[in-house]
Amino acid sequence: ETGVTQSPTHLIKTRGQQVTLRCSSQSGHNTVSWYQQALGQGPQFIFQYYREEENGRGNFPPRFSGLQFPNYSSELNVNALELDDSALYLCASSPRGAGTSTDTQYFGPGTRLTVL
Amino acid sequence: RKEVEQDPGPFNVPEGATVAFNCTYSNSASQSFFWYRQDCRKEPKLLMSVYSSGNEDGRFTAQLNRASQYISLLIRDSKLSDSATYLCVVKTGGFKTIFGAGTRLFVKA
Repeated sequence: ETGVTQSPTHLIKTRGQQVTLRCSSQSGHNTVSWYQQALGQGPQFIFQYYREEENGRGNFPPRFSGLQFPNYSSELNVNALELDDSALYLCASSPRGAGTSTDTQYFGPGTRLTVL
Repeated sequence: RKEVEQDPGPFNVPEGATVAFNCTYSNSASQSFFWYRQDCRKEPKLLMSVYSSGNEDGRFTAQLNRASQYISLLIRDSKLSDSATYLCVVKTGGFKTIFGAGTRLFVKA
């Protein structure tokens, strides 16, 4: 296994609510990325954190935000949930620093979010 | 146009067949290329990196053509356990990682 864990496994929320998803990276991995994967699609990059700072963002609105902590854990927060936010949310950690384009990413098992 | 495009699939092949997956990317500044495998309702897992010189890992061969902005994955002697979705991945410097939509493979006995 990759050593990357995510919680919770599944979550059901209603439209307009807020949600926090958690990820625990491998020890020593100082880069974490978050992805959204809708059914039948590939993962879409949300943002990346490096040493507790956001250092890159995909085409997602500001209601998607994150945090990274010194203990290699991180959070994805989504405010004002919409029906289209229903998806599998994946985090991926990397052992080397941001900007290393050849860096291998290790994915967690994901959190499946359903918005009703 | 999508930044990374893959064959839509699905591919249905018998055991022992050779199957090829194709992927094109739009950004000529892309630097790193990968193939990931994703089993149903599981996370993606790295299958192999792709280099300009081509690389092989057992039954799997990956090729990169930078001039044509094209990546391929060849699976020889398909096994039932190869059934999965294959994702083409392109990194364009630093943080930006783009996944294709994936191609589903079904290998049948």
